[in-house]
Amino acid sequence: EIVMTQSPATLSVSPGERVTLSCRASQSVSNKLSWYQQKPGQAPRLLIYASSVRATGIPDRFSGSGAGTDFTLTINSLQSEDFAVYYCQQYNDWPPITFGQGTRLDIK
Amino acid sequence: QLQLVQSGAEMEKPGSSVKVSCKASGSTFNRKTISWVRQAPGQGLEWVGCIIPVYGTANYAPKFQGRISITADKATSTVYMDLRSLTSEDTAVYYCATSGGVAVSFFDPWGQGTPVTVSS
Repeated sequence: EIVMTQSPATLSVSPGERVTLSCRASQSVSNKLSWYQQKPGQAPRLLIYASSVRATGIPDRFSGSGAGTDFTLTINSLQSEDFAVYYCQQYNDWPPITFGQGTRLDIK
Repeated sequence: QLQLVQSGAEMEKPGSSVKVSCKASGSTFNRKTISWVRQAPGQGLEWVGCIIPVYGTANYAPKFQGRISITADKATSTVYMDLRSLTSEDTAVYYCATSGGVAVSFFDPWGQGTPVTVSS
């Protein structure tokens, strides 16, 4: 099973700032890595797939990069609606599909 | 645009079973893969298993093997997840989610979630 590790667990930032979230895989997942945003009481929302492709309707302040074992999600100019929990997910080697434990983005 | 609508909240006793449904509308789901992902209270996301409705083949996460069945009814575009021998650790919100194509990949869209509570 591929273990996905996200860092940091929590990040406190101010609106307007730029943030970078990290996700590391225990073995190569090629570019088969996606990112989700989840707000309280809601289902996760797909942001990025294939490491760097924005899903339909996702603002261009969200960007993803990486390949192999190390990936990043960058959010430029944080908006109030961006404060949420973010998960990475690998789909290169399954079963099982595996997710990171999440990074919570809090308002400073 | 495919939409997924799940059945309502369930409350079960330890040792019993629960069956949750996920109905697709707006587009054919036959050539997609439908997965189940669960989220325990305050915890992260955990993939449970998936089915490819057009083939009827299912795959399960190893930790659920032997006590889970995922089936699909193509006539009604509905996928079912049946989880047996429930314990309190199965208390979670269960989501269905779609991957395009006949393999699991990224998930979009998701159902609204079905809370399952296991308690005596």
